Amino acid sequence: QVQLVQSGAEVKKPGASVKVSCKASGYTFTNYGINWVRQAPGQSLEWMGWIRAHNGNTNYAQKFRGRVTLTTDTSTSTAYMELKSLRSDDTAMYYCARDGSESYGHNWFDPWGQGTLITVSS
Amino acid sequence: DIQMTQSPSSLSASVGDRVTITCRASRSISDHLNWYQQKPGKAPKLLIYAASSLQSGVPSRFSGSGSGTDFTLTISSLQPEDFATYSCEQHYATPWTFGQGTKVEIK
Repeated sequence: QVQLVQSGAEVKKPGASVKVSCKASGYTFTNYGINWVRQAPGQSLEWMGWIRAHNGNTNYAQKFRGRVTLTTDTSTSTAYMELKSLRSDDTAMYYCARDGSESYGHNWFDPWGQGTLITVSS
Repeated sequence: DIQMTQSPSSLSASVGDRVTITCRASRSISDHLNWYQQKPGKAPKLLIYAASSLQSGVPSRFSGSGSGTDFTLTISSLQPEDFATYSCEQHYATPWTFGQGTKVEIK
């Protein structure tokens, strides 16, 4: 079955960087885009950016531009999200989520990874 | 950015009740609207895509409707496993944005 498995929780100090992985299985990795969505404690979901797996094209939310970098490794069907200059308000659960459709037009997030908790604390 | 506003923010209902959640976009998004269910400590799960299409494996008691700026998620007969938070999401223009969520609790 289609599955996204993320790396484990991390604790980071303010100013540090974190890199989260998302390993895909059960489908042709290069046929779909991967999104990253975060959710701060008690808050709503927030889209951070998207990467097209087959060519590395990206689209970042303005809020995160310059601080987030999305990459993929097609040899291992793994997507990565690196967030730099961490602040306490970056403490959140970070999810990867695949595009639901291979094509342009309507799209959605399905499936989702299990989430990676990033805690930023001094 | 397109703002998504859900109402209510929370509701209490009983098993068997019909539940309706609304989502309003700050400008027209045609039918590029998706609905997700999230249980505590779990990742969101897709329920409805393109405003009214039921995701495979999702029970038929869930339905979606609407276009333009106003959308509705309906649960025809609430079941114990449906107590969760529901979020809408617009996939019309980046940045993709979510509503604030509606928490459905047991009365």
